[in-house]
Amino acid sequence: DAGITQSPRHKVTETGTPVTLRCHQTENHRYMYWYRQDPGHGLRLIHYSYGVKDTDKGEVSDGYSVSRSKTEDFLLTLESATSSQTSVYFCAISAVGTEAFFGQGTRLTVV
Amino acid sequence: GIQVEQSPPDLILQEGANSTLRCNFSDSVNNLQWFHQNPWGQLINLFYIPSGTKQNGRLSATTVATERYSLLYISSSQTTDSGVYFCAVVRRGFTGANNLFFGTGTRLTVIP
Repeated sequence: DAGITQSPRHKVTETGTPVTLRCHQTENHRYMYWYRQDPGHGLRLIHYSYGVKDTDKGEVSDGYSVSRSKTEDFLLTLESATSSQTSVYFCAISAVGTEAFFGQGTRLTVV
Repeated sequence: GIQVEQSPPDLILQEGANSTLRCNFSDSVNNLQWFHQNPWGQLINLFYIPSGTKQNGRLSATTVATERYSLLYISSSQTTDSGVYFCAVVRRGFTGANNLFFGTGTRLTVIP
């Protein structure tokens, strides 16, 4: 299994509070990604990183920010959580030109 | 953006039966991945296949990039094959990142 750890695995938070999800990898891969999974939509790309401090937006980036200060860590932040951000969040990693591998997911509920 | 359509959306099989899942996509792609999401939510890599055919045990996949579709074959299905199968196409941006665009999946239920 690819060495990807997401934390926390489950979180319940209140509307309007900030939330940070963490993805940690032990593979030293260049690329890291955050996706969200919602019923009827499959998975959709939120943001991705192509190196330390290098990030770009995906399909559904509104309301999210990311940071990557070290190769192994990629953080996803919801500055002010909304109910529409209730979802399952997956982190993925890939090396140059290779397939992506996914973490186990974080189930986030915003009440 | 690119559209990815999977069919059928749901499939129920008797254990031991064979099945074919289809993935159509609307534009040229750099590569294609098939995943199995098990009942615990884990995404398991099955194939990374830009074109041609690959086989892994009872599973095989064929991608015909020029016609913009891919097929996943499951033979002699087992109850452990149950779950959701996702097709995801790879669009490689200027950064070299392999950004994935997913279909909505085929939910497979194998009954004993």
